[in-house]
Amino acid sequence: NAGVTQTPKFRILKIGQSMTLQCTQDMNHNYMYWYRQDPGMGLKLIYYSVGAGITDKGEVPNGYNVSRSTTEDFPLRLELAAPSQTSVYFCASSSDWTGAYQYFGAGTRLSVL
Amino acid sequence: GEDVEQSLFLSVREGDSSVINCTYTDSSSTYLYWYKQEPGAGLQLLTYIFSNMDMKQDQRLTVLLNKKDKHLSLRIADTQTGDSAIYFCAEDGSSNTGKLIFGQGTTLQVKP
Repeated sequence: NAGVTQTPKFRILKIGQSMTLQCTQDMNHNYMYWYRQDPGMGLKLIYYSVGAGITDKGEVPNGYNVSRSTTEDFPLRLELAAPSQTSVYFCASSSDWTGAYQYFGAGTRLSVL
Repeated sequence: GEDVEQSLFLSVREGDSSVINCTYTDSSSTYLYWYKQEPGAGLQLLTYIFSNMDMKQDQRLTVLLNKKDKHLSLRIADTQTGDSAIYFCAEDGSSNTGKLIFGQGTTLQVKP
């Protein structure tokens, strides 16, 4: 019962570096989401996907890119990392459009120094 | 625009009831949710309520929804130390894509 798996769990980046946060789910869910959680704040939606080949921007997409070539995987790419991208990143997936069925990964803690 | 507001902190004694409050702005939300986040972990769905209901009970949890005032509350009966966590209120707005709008979270501290 893997559910939603995120890698890595922790990462430190230097300003200007790039990296990809991996997210994979084994539940055959169509809907997938990337959120960021800043200290003392709620989650903000970065990008989402309603199926393979379809992605769309959320509330805070600047500085990020995504792709969805398979149902299982939804990687988040950071280009030219900035200190403002220091955050905890959560991936989620659901079989249905209601949040009642969203499953969250354990998160990736990213620091940009 | 869409916005969800919560108080930041609540402290209760073990065995007491806890009430966490939330206000939201989008009256077209279909569902409203309560998520729990334990330290270092992802979010776990606790319960949710359909927007045409005004109350939902699930064991120790009671959710009350006042659509007129756009107010949602979560009551935890007989609060235990294991209930210490951050609780997030969320709404789905007018979207049918599962996008959620979260409040900033209420930290619940349960003292023995």
